[in-house]
Amino acid sequence: DTGVSQDPRHKITKRGQNVTFRCDPISEHNRLYWYRQTLGQGPEFLTYFQNEAQLEKSRLLSDRFSAERPKGSFSTLEIQRTEQGDSAMYLCASSLVGGNEQYFGPGTRLTVT
Amino acid sequence: AQRVTQPEKLLSVFKGAPVELKCNYSYSGSPELFWYVQYSRQRLQLLLRHISRESIKGFTADLNKGETSFHLKKPFAQEEDSAMYYCALNRVRGGSEKLVFGKGMKLTVNP
Repeated sequence: DTGVSQDPRHKITKRGQNVTFRCDPISEHNRLYWYRQTLGQGPEFLTYFQNEAQLEKSRLLSDRFSAERPKGSFSTLEIQRTEQGDSAMYLCASSLVGGNEQYFGPGTRLTVT
Repeated sequence: AQRVTQPEKLLSVFKGAPVELKCNYSYSGSPELFWYVQYSRQRLQLLLRHISRESIKGFTADLNKGETSFHLKKPFAQEEDSAMYYCALNRVRGGSEKLVFGKGMKLTVNP
């Protein structure tokens, strides 16, 4: 499968714990995006990278959230001191610069208890 | 600020009936508009984009700048069209930055 992959697919954690998610984009794609989707809502933009540079962050991305793409390939999204409100599906997408289609991964479903 | 509105959350029709999924947007520039679809237990995928002016799986969508709308239409719905549909806006024409999504609409096509 050469599509976008995400790991883990599901994560259950207790409030206050830290979690980290991984996204592997389509190999030749230099842009990588993170979105969050809660029940009954469409995906909401969190942040995006072009190669290893983080070009934009949403106001949704509080200080507890950090994203990296250290070598311009895979990316990680870390949430520190999780709260119940962080429970959501976290989606990753990738694209080419100049391309206008974003390809989505299957998502990581986070449940904070 | 950019905003995408899908005024209806649910639409249920019988096979062969026409469908129209409404989408309105607000943006002061010249956006690109998209329809994404998510079938049951599958990932979100692009259905069509306004700049390509093509018909995909029998669906078409026309950008109406005067009404700031991008409604998705199909003259004869099929059971396999049952899915979640999201309208999305990209503020950068020709490039790819963040997408702004509507809340989505669930289409059910009954036999």
